[in-house]
Amino acid sequence: GESVGLHLPTLSVQEGDNSIINCAYSNSASDYFIWYKQESGKGPQFIIDIRSNMDKRQGQRVTVLLNKTVKHLSLQIAATQPGDSAVYFCAEKQGSYIPTFGRGTSLIVHP
Amino acid sequence: GAVVSQHPSRVICKSGTSVKIECRSLDFQATTMFWYRQFPKQSLMLMATSNEGSKATYEQGVEKDKFLINHASLTLSTLTVTSAHPEDSSFYICSARQGGFDEQYFGPGTRLTVT
Repeated sequence: GESVGLHLPTLSVQEGDNSIINCAYSNSASDYFIWYKQESGKGPQFIIDIRSNMDKRQGQRVTVLLNKTVKHLSLQIAATQPGDSAVYFCAEKQGSYIPTFGRGTSLIVHP
Repeated sequence: GAVVSQHPSRVICKSGTSVKIECRSLDFQATTMFWYRQFPKQSLMLMATSNEGSKATYEQGVEKDKFLINHASLTLSTLTVTSAHPEDSSFYICSARQGGFDEQYFGPGTRLTVT
């Protein structure tokens, strides 16, 4: 699975810009993927998910893209707002197994 | 959506003492609960998985005698950090799910500081 325990990469954007957060996963048998948002001092919150039979899924201001060929997942946030500042984690899951979390990306939105 | 609570949200204890953290699923029955540990600016590290009524399964490197986990009911799991030391200071997060294919819901976390 993904490495955990490593220091987080950081993405800095200006308010109003679109943000793209990337995640590489390791298990080609994973069939379910989730993006979580974690604000400082809080637990992770579910943002959006996607199953392996899809390559794109849209939510409110967020889009998740899945490229199974290169085992890559991305989260796009449109018109990023200061309230979007947080750490974003991807997680991969195979069947009923326990999800494996990626290392996370810290998103900083400058007003 | 489903709600998971943790208590306490913050706790400060002295070195050598034990501290208990509770995780509750408020509006669903959680057959499985997970305990994570998170250091500053790092990802979540799974410590153990507990199924209601059975012994917890610990991840490699996690001392089961130090981190006691009890999942006595479908809505409550507890993590007891025994003989806590300053290096146990961390953010502890629980999550719960109803079934194996169900979504995992996270608690708000507990900040443990051992002095």
